[in-house]
Amino acid sequence: DIQMTQSPSSLSASVGDTVTITCRTSQNISSYLNWYQHIPGKAPKLLIYAASGLQSGVPSRFRGSGSATQFTLTILGLQPEDFATYYCQQRTTFGQGTKVDIK
Amino acid sequence: QVQLAQSGAEVKKPGSSVKVSCEASGGTFRSSGISWVRQAPGEGLEWMGGIIPMSDTVSYAQKFEGRVTITADEATGTAYMEVGSLRSEDTAMYFCVRDRVLWFGGSPQPHQWFDPWGPGTLVTVSS
Repeated sequence: DIQMTQSPSSLSASVGDTVTITCRTSQNISSYLNWYQHIPGKAPKLLIYAASGLQSGVPSRFRGSGSATQFTLTILGLQPEDFATYYCQQRTTFGQGTKVDIK
Repeated sequence: QVQLAQSGAEVKKPGSSVKVSCEASGGTFRSSGISWVRQAPGEGLEWMGGIIPMSDTVSYAQKFEGRVTITADEATGTAYMEVGSLRSEDTAMYFCVRDRVLWFGGSPQPHQWFDPWGPGTLVTVSS
């Protein structure tokens, strides 16, 4: 099974900051990596598919990059509605999640 | 635009079973799939299993094999997940998700990504 390591597990940031979350995999998965946002009380939401594809309706401040075993989700200019938990996913495996809260 | 609606919250006794439904509107999931993902309190997201109606394929996470049954009724556009032998650790929010499937020469490659997600069904297991 492919192991996924997401980091950090949590971070504190201010509105307007640039935030970077990393997901590493134990095997080369090409670009088969997706990112989700989960706000408590709501359904998770697909942000980025296939490493860098921006899902329709998602603001362009969300950027996905990477390939093989290392992937990054960057949020450029954090907005109040972006405080949430973010997960990476490859096939049936999710990362442990990164909680982004207000500094 | 496909939307998913799920059945309401359930409270169950340990040892009993629960069946959660997921109805698609605004489209079908025949050539894609439906997976089920759960989130226990304070925990992350966990894939449980999924179904691809077009190929009649069902798969389960090893952890749930034998205790979870996933079915789909294409006529009504509804998928179901039944969890048996419930225990307190099964207390969680259960989400159905449309499972993006790629098809290569008639063979499905599921779990490419999950979108959209249903609103979730809270299942509480308590004596």
